[in-house]
Amino acid sequence: SQQGEEDPQALSIQEGENATMNCSYKTSINNLQWYRQNSGRGLVHLILIRSNEREKHSGRLRVTLDTSKKSSSLLITASRAADTASYFCGSQAGTALIFGKGTTLSVSS
Amino acid sequence: NAGVTQTPKFRVLKTGQSMTLLCAQDMNHEYMYWYRQDPGMGLRLIHYSVGEGTTAKGEVPDGYNVSRLKKQNFLLGLESAAPSQTSVYFCASSPFFSYNEQFFGPGTRLTVL
Repeated sequence: SQQGEEDPQALSIQEGENATMNCSYKTSINNLQWYRQNSGRGLVHLILIRSNEREKHSGRLRVTLDTSKKSSSLLITASRAADTASYFCGSQAGTALIFGKGTTLSVSS
Repeated sequence: NAGVTQTPKFRVLKTGQSMTLLCAQDMNHEYMYWYRQDPGMGLRLIHYSVGEGTTAKGEVPDGYNVSRLKKQNFLLGLESAAPSQTSVYFCASSPFFSYNEQFFGPGTRLTVL
């Protein structure tokens, strides 16, 4: 069974707006990672947050982690049309990453 | 530096046929992984390897075999393809410590008729 679940499944916003997507996982983890996938392409790593971290920033990305609730959120600020993609969280407890089903983000201009 | 490459990009098989998917990485990574991605299911781990000559089962290993004879290559084999194996297959690699980001290949789209 899959470890993580993203919410919402789909999100449509206008350029310039912020996009927030959430991820929940089931067991204790070492770290949680967010990836982006453009249509027909492989996954690209965005950001990694370790279990002892609560918040992390990278450019327009902000990730939070709440280990007590087993949840994480990814905020993309000032969205651009180029941010249109699917976003996946991957939680890591052992050797392998366990991915959720993803959030599809559509940013229109 | 090509990163992670996958061969072939597309393949159509008939039920019962066999094939091998090749993954190659030029980053000297120890860890390599095979995933499958199905609509609405996200990515699921098939097999992985923590070093040359080692392999381990992931979440959905049935119907697949793997080999890691060389550090830079990770092969995924389907001995007798079934329609349920129609999917997009992704290979990934990560450095010695697995608690790092994974680098993904572009994927192989496989259809089994």
